[in-house]
Amino acid sequence: DIQMTQSPSTLSASVGDRVTITCRASQSIDMLLAWYQQKPGKAPKLLIQMTSRLETGVPSGFSGSGSGTEFSLTIGSLQPDDFATYYCQQYSRYPYTFGQGTKLDIK
Amino acid sequence: EVQLVDSGGDFVQPGGSLRLSCAASGFSFSSYAMGWVRQAPGKGLEWVSDINSVGDNPHYADSVRGRFTISRDNSKNTLYLQMHSLTVEDTARYYCARTWGGLGYFDSWGQGTLVTVSS
Repeated sequence: DIQMTQSPSTLSASVGDRVTITCRASQSIDMLLAWYQQKPGKAPKLLIQMTSRLETGVPSGFSGSGSGTEFSLTIGSLQPDDFATYYCQQYSRYPYTFGQGTKLDIK
Repeated sequence: EVQLVDSGGDFVQPGGSLRLSCAASGFSFSSYAMGWVRQAPGKGLEWVSDINSVGDNPHYADSVRGRFTISRDNSKNTLYLQMHSLTVEDTARYYCARTWGGLGYFDSWGQGTLVTVSS
């Protein structure tokens, strides 16, 4: 199975900060990586697919990059609504796998 | 508007069985692959299973293979997850989700249904 490792596990930041979350795959997944945002008590929400393609309605402050085994999600300027938990997911090979999550909280 | 409504979660004893359902509306259900993702209390997301648009070629996580069966009824716009031999490790909120273009990422999610396995 492909292991997905996110870092950091928790991240404290302030409104207006630029933050980056990293996701590393145990083997190459080309660019078949998605990012999700989840808020407490809610279902996950797809933000980005194919490493860097923003879903409709996702603020332009979100961006994704990477290839092979190293990927990142960047939020250019944190807004109050961005504090949540973020997950990466590879869909290159079955079984599909998620990272363990990165909780982004207010400093 | 895409809507996925999960149901069927319940409290069940170890070794028991349960069938989850996901009622879809607002899109052409028969054109999309679908899947299940679960989340244990306070934990991260775990991909469980998916199935293509016509209802064959299912895939399963190692943790559920042989115990869970995914299926769908396109005439009823409904996805199912039949679960047998449940263990406490299966305790989680189960989300059904739509797979975009059969590619493997999930662009729409249900609200989830809670399965609790305990003696």
